[in-house]
Amino acid sequence: GESVGLHLPTLSVQEGDNSIINCAYSNSASDYFIWYKQESGKGPQFIIDIRSNMDKRQGQRVTVLLNKTVKHLSLQIAATQPGDSAVYFCAENSYSGGGADGLTFGKGTHLIIQP
Amino acid sequence: NAGVTQTPKFRILKIGQSMTLQCAQDMNHNYMYWYRQDPGMGLKLIYYSVGAGITDKGEVPNGYNVSRSTTEDFPLRLELAAPSQTSVYFCASRPGHMNTEAFFGQGTRLTVV
Repeated sequence: GESVGLHLPTLSVQEGDNSIINCAYSNSASDYFIWYKQESGKGPQFIIDIRSNMDKRQGQRVTVLLNKTVKHLSLQIAATQPGDSAVYFCAENSYSGGGADGLTFGKGTHLIIQP
Repeated sequence: NAGVTQTPKFRILKIGQSMTLQCAQDMNHNYMYWYRQDPGMGLKLIYYSVGAGITDKGEVPNGYNVSRSTTEDFPLRLELAAPSQTSVYFCASRPGHMNTEAFFGQGTRLTVV
């Protein structure tokens, strides 16, 4: 039968505006949360991470906020540029049950920049 | 420094055929990963390795096998290709658990017909 999957949500913003991309995570035991950017036809690239004992971290034009109470992570991009068009993934860094170890990626958000 | 290199970039397989997706990294990273990404979807972990001689299943391991005989190489084997394995496959590596920056290859686009 036909498989049904959840396609990536889309966020459309005007060039120059700020973008806020949200992510809900599931594992309270994750020690780091990370944002990756994937441009069309390429592999994901690291943007910024935040340790689980922090609630905010800033980089160049990007800010990551972590709310552990509601298990929510957000990426804010200031003054969005055309080059910011991409799919953005949040990821959790954790030891899963049974000693497994990996980076677990969220579903991703497609950011579209309107001229 | 080439980073993570995947070969081939594209491949078309017939149902039931076998193939190996190659992945090599020259950064001396201990951790390596294989993900698949279906069109318009997220990344799903197939297998991973925390060092030479050690491999573990991820979220979607069925239909795949891996080996890690050296630190540099982490090949992914498809034994009996099925249409459900049509996807883009990404290999990634990072030094260790506390290094959150993983380096990805350019991907292998596989179509099974």
